[in-house]
Amino acid sequence: GAVVSQHPSWVICKSGTSVKIECRSLDFQATTMFWYRQFPKQSLMLMATSNEGSKATYEQGVEKDKFLINHASLTLSTLTVTSAHPEDSSFYICSARGDRFDNQPQHFGDGTRLSIL
Amino acid sequence: GQNIDQPTEMTATEGAIVQINCTYQTSGFNGLFWYQQHAGEAPTFLSYNVLDGLEEKGRFSSFLSRSKGYSYLLLKELQMKDSASYLCAVLDSNYQLIWGAGTKLIIKP
Repeated sequence: GAVVSQHPSWVICKSGTSVKIECRSLDFQATTMFWYRQFPKQSLMLMATSNEGSKATYEQGVEKDKFLINHASLTLSTLTVTSAHPEDSSFYICSARGDRFDNQPQHFGDGTRLSIL
Repeated sequence: GQNIDQPTEMTATEGAIVQINCTYQTSGFNGLFWYQQHAGEAPTFLSYNVLDGLEEKGRFSSFLSRSKGYSYLLLKELQMKDSASYLCAVLDSNYQLIWGAGTKLIIKP
């Protein structure tokens, strides 16, 4: 089945640090990748949608200068949390889909737990 | 606006059957997904319905009625490991996935 790898699983760092999270589709070409954030006991919140080779589409209220997304290839998207602060601490999850208009399910990475001290 | 409703929490007994309902109002419809999410983990895909009717997959079944904007996920022979949140999500006319808030299922021995 479709496999999505997300790295790192855990990040603990000081306030002001920038953190990069990678999301890779291992056995399929991911035309579209999605980045979610989830706070404890809350539902998934879509942050942005990225299509290979084009700029990401951010959801309302998500700062694009704060959360930089790069989808440079069909198998890799990265999310960089710039100058992270304690309020950015959360569970970040990526997912990937093979075709922009495909009705195939999104396949999720294992998530990255980010803790900013 | 777009809206997906599902119960916040349900409790069931090991070995029993439970039905988790989901109602939706979206701009267009290209299918409905059910995902399972254990605490602290990412969601995993369970089922996809785009036509009316029941799809069975082992102990799990999913039903869809497009005219009623309604789906349910049926879990049979409940096991303790089924304790998780179950997320209903609808693919709208723009192929954007609209997520429900999830139903936390608690299984008691």
